[in-house]
Amino acid sequence: GQQLNQSPQSMFIQEGEDVSMNCTSSSIFNTWLWYKQDPGEGPVLLIALYKAGELTSNGRLTAQFGITRKDSFLNISASIPSDVGIYFCAGLGSSNTGKLIFGQGTTLQVKP
Amino acid sequence: NAGVMQNPRHLVRRRGQEARLRCSPMKGHSHVYWYRQLPEEGLKFMVYLQKENIIDESGMPKERFSAEFPKEGPSILRIQQVVRGDSAAYFCASSPRDRGVNTEAFFGQGTRLTVV
Repeated sequence: GQQLNQSPQSMFIQEGEDVSMNCTSSSIFNTWLWYKQDPGEGPVLLIALYKAGELTSNGRLTAQFGITRKDSFLNISASIPSDVGIYFCAGLGSSNTGKLIFGQGTTLQVKP
Repeated sequence: NAGVMQNPRHLVRRRGQEARLRCSPMKGHSHVYWYRQLPEEGLKFMVYLQKENIIDESGMPKERFSAEFPKEGPSILRIQQVVRGDSAAYFCASSPRDRGVNTEAFFGQGTRLTVV
């Protein structure tokens, strides 16, 4: 079945630094989504990407839908302590049922 | 303008008991998805339902698990004769998705099931 490989698995950075994480797949996805999950909570949608090559920003967050439709990255600029959490990429495949395939997550810790 | 509501937030069951997890989608959403998350892992798709119909249950275990989304009331994920391996966070997501349109789903806060 379709799988996503997300990296890095975890990051420990200093406040103010920029962060980059990415997802790759051997399969094509029609939509890429990036979620953030805080402890004990459900995933919250950060950015949605619908077209290959699309670059979208949401405040300090920027994400791109790879031109091959097999990868995506998320950048966070000037990190702050509240950026701490687990970031998941998710792909919406060609089955057209709305089923999301999730990456394994990137755990981000920010040192003040 | 409530979001996706799941209850209970935490559920403890003894081995062999039944667990019933409820999900009320966002207002106007008629598509519901259930996902399971084991500790330190990503979410795994279980089942996709529309009102009174199961559309895709390819992620559901073959035994003991069932889901429904009746015409009236919340969606229910039922786990019969729970075992310790069922301990996980179960998330519901809803979408206003129409056929052929990719629309992002919004997640509830989850139900954390612990089997003792």
